[in-house]
Amino acid sequence: DSGVTQTPKHLITATGQRVTLRCSPRSGDLSVYWYQQSLDQGLQFLIQYYNGEERAKGNILERFSAQQFPDLHSELNLSSLELGDSALYFCASSAHLEDGYTFGSGTRLTVV
Amino acid sequence: EDQVTQSPEALRLQEGESSSLNCSYTVSGLRGLFWYRQDPGKGPEFLFTLYSAGEEKEKERLKATLTKKESFLHITAPKPEDSATYLCAVQRITGGGNKLTFGTGTQLKVEL
Repeated sequence: DSGVTQTPKHLITATGQRVTLRCSPRSGDLSVYWYQQSLDQGLQFLIQYYNGEERAKGNILERFSAQQFPDLHSELNLSSLELGDSALYFCASSAHLEDGYTFGSGTRLTVV
Repeated sequence: EDQVTQSPEALRLQEGESSSLNCSYTVSGLRGLFWYRQDPGKGPEFLFTLYSAGEEKEKERLKATLTKKESFLHITAPKPEDSATYLCAVQRITGGGNKLTFGTGTQLKVEL
């Protein structure tokens, strides 16, 4: 157990639907990062939050949004889902650069 | 834009057969270079952070080195349990928050 908790582990949904992925960072970590991993593109950075504030944004689609709550857990909302959104979605948290990120075990999203 | 290229894409070794994985990078001001190990269906697991050219770090059968343009992950006398995908990532000094830009990885298979 890495200390970063992601739920659900698996999600199957239809095109056009909306889903919410949840992440609880490691205790004490203020930064949360969301990444998308698909077979053909590797790990792609979506967005970072630090202590409730958006800190950096990657190639995140307008259909996607995220937030970090006062208790530091984060949610990634994906709407108007398309087949191409099927991927593994990882959350990571960090405290110190020398320790790198700690990743959760991911949510596997399948859009049918 | 930051770029990370890893080679080879896949590598098959016999147990005990040492080899090296390559990570070439382009970044505007390197803050840190990271190596991760990822097992199928799991989140990446942090291995090393390297900060400056000439730096080396070791952990069991793995040794990571860094130059101004590339990093190597040397695997000495590998065992089947070293089979995994090894990911390299860079973090820039300024801009982009603390996001990591990942390569697509080297898939290592160690056979008996």
